[in-house]
Amino acid sequence: AQTVTQSQPEMSVQEAETVTLSCTYDTSENNYYLFWYKQPPSRQMILVIRQEAYKQQNATENRFSVNFQKAAKSFSLKISDSQLGDTAMYFCAFRKSNFGNEKLTFGTGTRLTIIP
Amino acid sequence: DTEVTQTPKHLVMGMTNKKSLKCEQHMGHRAMYWYKQKAKKPPELMFVYSYEKLSINESVPSRFSPECPNSSLLNLHLHALQPEDSALYLCASSQVDLGVTEAFFGQGTRLTVV
Repeated sequence: AQTVTQSQPEMSVQEAETVTLSCTYDTSENNYYLFWYKQPPSRQMILVIRQEAYKQQNATENRFSVNFQKAAKSFSLKISDSQLGDTAMYFCAFRKSNFGNEKLTFGTGTRLTIIP
Repeated sequence: DTEVTQTPKHLVMGMTNKKSLKCEQHMGHRAMYWYKQKAKKPPELMFVYSYEKLSINESVPSRFSPECPNSSLLNLHLHALQPEDSALYLCASSQVDLGVTEAFFGQGTRLTVV
């Protein structure tokens, strides 16, 4: 079974600063996918960024980037130039296999607060 | 259209009631999911439907009964629930293809069992 660990229950940072959220996972799979989802107070889970395990290049999406270390089984999220709208719960998630109907295993989440 | 629509947004029901949660998507996704999320916890998978057939049941009690009448609709029928079943119920959908296919989530139904 896969496990996903987020060791930072809460974080806060000043607006415009950079923040890094940590995630580690445990799996015996070689092919898998990792995701960061954001859940604001509106409750909807929104995909922030995704990473294929077979790709060595770290994924980036505008102000969001990841540091994927496959050997260390680490998948951290960096948010640059943080904005008030980034305030949310952030979940790291793992999915094995190549098909989209596999389950997502979520970490326990990090509550991020951006301070004006 | 990249929306997953869930109704109702809020539901209060008694332990003897029967109610249903509804989920709809028009993205052509052939996998649909129900997740349960307790306060300050991550979502936990309940059911997966793939091509309208139940493919995963995570040992969910029978008082929760899923149904997928067609490729766009997913229902969760509720009967004789307990107060500990109070939670946010999230529906999601995704493609069923090779490659990275993220799940799209609805805004959830906040269920309170009294």
